[in-house]
Amino acid sequence: GAVVSQHPSRVICKSGTSVKIECRSLDFQATTMFWYRQFPKQSLMLMATSNEGSKATYEQGVEKDKFLINHASLTLSTLTVTSAHPEDSSFYICSARDPRSGELFFGEGSRLTVL
Amino acid sequence: QKEVEQDPGPLSVPEGAIVSLNCTYSNSAFQYFMWYRQYSRKGPELLMYTYSSGNKEDGRFTAQVDKSSKYISLFIRDSQPSDSATYLCAMRDSGGYQKVTFGTGTKLQVIP
Repeated sequence: GAVVSQHPSRVICKSGTSVKIECRSLDFQATTMFWYRQFPKQSLMLMATSNEGSKATYEQGVEKDKFLINHASLTLSTLTVTSAHPEDSSFYICSARDPRSGELFFGEGSRLTVL
Repeated sequence: QKEVEQDPGPLSVPEGAIVSLNCTYSNSAFQYFMWYRQYSRKGPELLMYTYSSGNKEDGRFTAQVDKSSKYISLFIRDSQPSDSATYLCAMRDSGGYQKVTFGTGTKLQVIP
């Protein structure tokens, strides 16, 4: 089946630094990818929709300047957490929709810990 | 009121039991319904994908959708310890934006 790859799976950084997370669709081209944030024992909260070749669409309450999204190709979207702070520590998950079936597939997630 | 309500559990059952997981929703525009399984510290994995009302079976898993009651269910037959995970229901409308709304997830533990 379709595979969405996310990297890195774990990252620890110091407060004030920036961290980039990559999301790749391996079996299909995805014009749209989604970025979620998940807190312990809570569901996935959609942060933004990443559109290939255009600006991302952010959900209400998500800081555009803090969570930079780039969807430079049909198989790659990146999320950059800028000037990270401890409250940004979370599990970030990307997903991509397979245009052949309409199904949504998820990456393995990236656990960010900001010290 | 949340758009999608799901009992967070945890739900603990003995191996071999039939498990019933449920979600209710309020948005009548939802047309596509999904169930995802998420193991600890992993991304969600798609289990079932259904359109509109009816049943869909895949191995030990059966998904039911009752749009008139705005209620969906996932049944797991002959549950196994490897089924222990968090199960998320998800749904979306047929609009171009295709935003998916998730339930909070039900944590299931199957005891050997």
